[in-house]
Amino acid sequence: AQRVTQPEKLLSVFKGAPVELKCNYSYSGSPELFWYVQYSRQRLQLLLRHISRESIKGFTADLNKGETSFHLKKPFAQEEDSAMYYCALSSRGSTLGRLYFGRGTQLTVWP
Amino acid sequence: GAGVSQSPSNKVTEKGKDVELRCDPISGHTALYWYRQSLGQGLEFLIYFQGNSAPDKSGLPSDRFSAERTGGSVSTLTIQRTQQEDSAVYLCASSPRFPDRGHGYTFGSGTRLTVV
Repeated sequence: AQRVTQPEKLLSVFKGAPVELKCNYSYSGSPELFWYVQYSRQRLQLLLRHISRESIKGFTADLNKGETSFHLKKPFAQEEDSAMYYCALSSRGSTLGRLYFGRGTQLTVWP
Repeated sequence: GAGVSQSPSNKVTEKGKDVELRCDPISGHTALYWYRQSLGQGLEFLIYFQGNSAPDKSGLPSDRFSAERTGGSVSTLTIQRTQQEDSAVYLCASSPRFPDRGHGYTFGSGTRLTVV
């Protein structure tokens, strides 16, 4: 069965410090992994996806199949990064299109 | 429309009453999804629709929950005999094609349901 685990419910760092939001998954096939972000009073939106190997707002995430992880990283956190972050997995099969989400990590960046 | 529209934005109801939540997806989007966002529980899949095909209802938590999508567009999520544990934010998302695998999900702003 597919599962996404985000072990930290809350994460606080100071502005300028590196930040890493952890995400681990379990899935027997070849997954697609995503990070979604929800800023205060805004809608949930896609931040980045592993297949694109892109950097968005300074964030990167590398899929590590050996460790079944997809941690989100940023070398220098900014106050505007404060938000709820969700890791999500999409799988092949009868549930194509459906996303499995982790429980989310609330990131707070202090000035 | 320009985005996914959900109504009402907030709903307070008494335990035992029925509620209807509405989602108006982006025009032309063939896939529509309902998720539930509970404090500390993340996002829980409820149901999705793809065009005129039978929906995937595997995420509905009980038979008190049902959803329909009329004309391949607007969707209504109905919760009968509401319970306090139904209190959550109900999110709708749509995507332009199926299978989309999350590439083009657009979420609505959600309906915050409070059962008292």
